[in-house]
Amino acid sequence: NAGVMQNPRHLVRRRGQEARLRCSPMKGHSHVYWYRQLPEEGLKFMVYLQKENIIDESGMPKERFSAEFPKEGPSILRIQQVVRGDSAAYFCASSPELNTEAFFGQGTRLTVV
Amino acid sequence: KQEVTQIPAALSVPEGENLVLNCSFTDSAIYNLQWFRQDPGKGLTSLLLIQSSQREQTSGRLNASLDKSSGRSTLYIAASQPGDSATYLCAVVSDFNKFYFGSGTKLNVKP
Repeated sequence: NAGVMQNPRHLVRRRGQEARLRCSPMKGHSHVYWYRQLPEEGLKFMVYLQKENIIDESGMPKERFSAEFPKEGPSILRIQQVVRGDSAAYFCASSPELNTEAFFGQGTRLTVV
Repeated sequence: KQEVTQIPAALSVPEGENLVLNCSFTDSAIYNLQWFRQDPGKGLTSLLLIQSSQREQTSGRLNASLDKSSGRSTLYIAASQPGDSATYLCAVVSDFNKFYFGSGTKLNVKP
């Protein structure tokens, strides 16, 4: 059973471009979470999704950020018109059920130049 | 709002020493608490999960305790090794599996 897979591992975007981050949860996991780790800061919750539903997006900026977890395929975190302040490590986690152990991916390190 | 604090922020010890990392949280209404390890530039590795009804969990040289009423958890590492050098993160899980992370304790074990 492969772990949580995130790609790409590193992503460089120019200001104003779009960034698309992908997360494939562990097999059998239907709960996906996205977290952001800004430089020298702790991880902060962004969004919690189940298949085809956004359950809690209270940690996600209202503008430019969106997330989806379609019936088929990976979960996608999309950042439009990136700015330098979006540079961070974005981590995805998955769990089989609510409030059970969560497993994290290796993260995608986004650099905006 | 849940606040998680980890003390100390950094710790440097000689190899072989037993050590304790501390985590405190402000809201005792948690589902569980999870300790992670993060190596530089890498992801998070789950070390131990303590359910809210449990008092402690053990895995090898690691032992984690939970006192929900006082809002505290400790991670005990026995006979530390240089390979234990990493940042250790404490996270409490509140509603909807939302993790609240501490800022971590950066551990350096000197050979």
